[in-house]
Amino acid sequence: GNSVTQMEGPVTLSEEAFLTINCTYTATGYPSLFWYVQYPGEGLQLLLKATKADDKGSNKGFEATYRKETTSFHLEKGSVQVSDSAVYFCALSDMNTGFQKLVFGTGTRLLVSP
Amino acid sequence: SQTIHQWPATLVQPVGSPLSLECTVEGTSNPNLYWYRQAAGRGLQLLFYSVGIGQISSEVPQNLSASRPQDRQFILSSKKLLLSDSGFYLCSYSTAATDTQYFGPGTRLTVL
Repeated sequence: GNSVTQMEGPVTLSEEAFLTINCTYTATGYPSLFWYVQYPGEGLQLLLKATKADDKGSNKGFEATYRKETTSFHLEKGSVQVSDSAVYFCALSDMNTGFQKLVFGTGTRLLVSP
Repeated sequence: SQTIHQWPATLVQPVGSPLSLECTVEGTSNPNLYWYRQAAGRGLQLLFYSVGIGQISSEVPQNLSASRPQDRQFILSSKKLLLSDSGFYLCSYSTAATDTQYFGPGTRLTVL
C-alpha cells in the first residue's frame, strides 16, 4: 500500500540555519503531496502542497518540490526562526479507497535555538 | 470562509466512563469528515471517516464509534473508556473541490 517515510527527529538547529527534512513516499498513481505543521498543543496546519510532478509548493519561506523520479518531497527553508519549532508531517493523498484519505509520515520534530 | 471546531479542548475521564467528542464544520456543505488519534510522540492514525449523513467507515477495530447526525457534525463516542484511549483526537474535513484536509484544534483526552 501507499506509505510515507520521514527522517527521524528531533532536528536541532540554531536560528538562521538551513533546514532540510527528508520525505520519501511509495504510491500507486499520482498522489498529491502535503506538508503539515503542528505547533505544541495545537492541531495540524497545512503548510504547503503539490499536486503533480515537478510542482513546487511554498509558504512562509518553506519550499518542497514533488520529485517523481526519486519519489521525494523534501521540506526546505533557507533560514529558520525559533518560531518554526514544531512537528512537521509529510503526507500523501490516497484515492485508492474511493475517497480522499491522507497517509502520514511519523512526523519530524524541529527545535530551533536562539 | 470555512472553519472547524472541536470540543472540549481537554478532557480527563476515569476508566470505564463514557465519551463524547464533537466536531462541527462551518462554511461548506457535504464535507468529508475524519477522526484521527495521535498517541503521545507518535504519528496520526485514521479512526473513522464519513462521506455523508449516517455514513461511517471504520479504519481500525477499537473501543470507539462515530456518528454523523447532521451534515456538518461528527461525533466520536465510547461506552467504556480504556487507558489506551488516551491521546490527542483530531477532526478534519475535506470538500469535493479539493483533496486537502483541514484540521480542527484537537481534543486532548486523558484516561486515568
